[in-house]
Amino acid sequence: SAVISQKPSRDICQRGTSLTIQCQVDSQVTMMFWYRQQPGQSLTLIATANQGSEATYESGFVIDKFPISRPNLTFSTLTVSNMSPEDSSIYLCSVVGRGHSGANVLTFGAGSRLTVL
Amino acid sequence: DQQVKQNSPSLSVQEGRISILNCDYTNSMFDYFLWYKKYPAEGPTFLISISSIKDKNEDGRFTVFLNKSAKHLSLHIVPSQPGDSAVYFCAAGGNQFYFGTGTSLTVIP
Repeated sequence: SAVISQKPSRDICQRGTSLTIQCQVDSQVTMMFWYRQQPGQSLTLIATANQGSEATYESGFVIDKFPISRPNLTFSTLTVSNMSPEDSSIYLCSVVGRGHSGANVLTFGAGSRLTVL
Repeated sequence: DQQVKQNSPSLSVQEGRISILNCDYTNSMFDYFLWYKKYPAEGPTFLISISSIKDKNEDGRFTVFLNKSAKHLSLHIVPSQPGDSAVYFCAAGGNQFYFGTGTSLTVIP
């Protein structure tokens, strides 16, 4: 399965600032996915990042708040803009691949833990 | 609207016994169903999957059962070990996946 590197692994940010999270994959993939896990909550899909086109956002997430770049098939960034304490979460990058059983399987990076003061 | 649900937020099981984690979904078009294990400060780790054309998949101590008519899947861990203590998430989808709210499993030595 793919190996995914994310940075930063954690950061503490001030309200009103923006932070960009980077995701690097060791193989070329068509789609990359950004998830958020708020404290005590499930993993929520933010958007799908496609190379060469605009990201597709899930309900409740907008490009102005979470702009995404996908310059090539191995890299993506997610920016959390104008942060508030409610944005304190773990942000996770993932890609889909084929598992042993033939099913599509998501592989995740270790996540970026963001704390907004 | 939550497309994937795990109604039990926590489960405690004695070491050596069976752990059964349950998951329900709403979208009959989902092709694949996945189970993940997550420790704090780490990304989710894939455990086992099943495609919609099957009703059972087994991998060592882990077995996933799928009941499409009930839109329900379950993960069985047997025998349970203390190292299995973690939060378990189910996910459903095709290319995009949606996750349940997680079940915290504690295996008591």
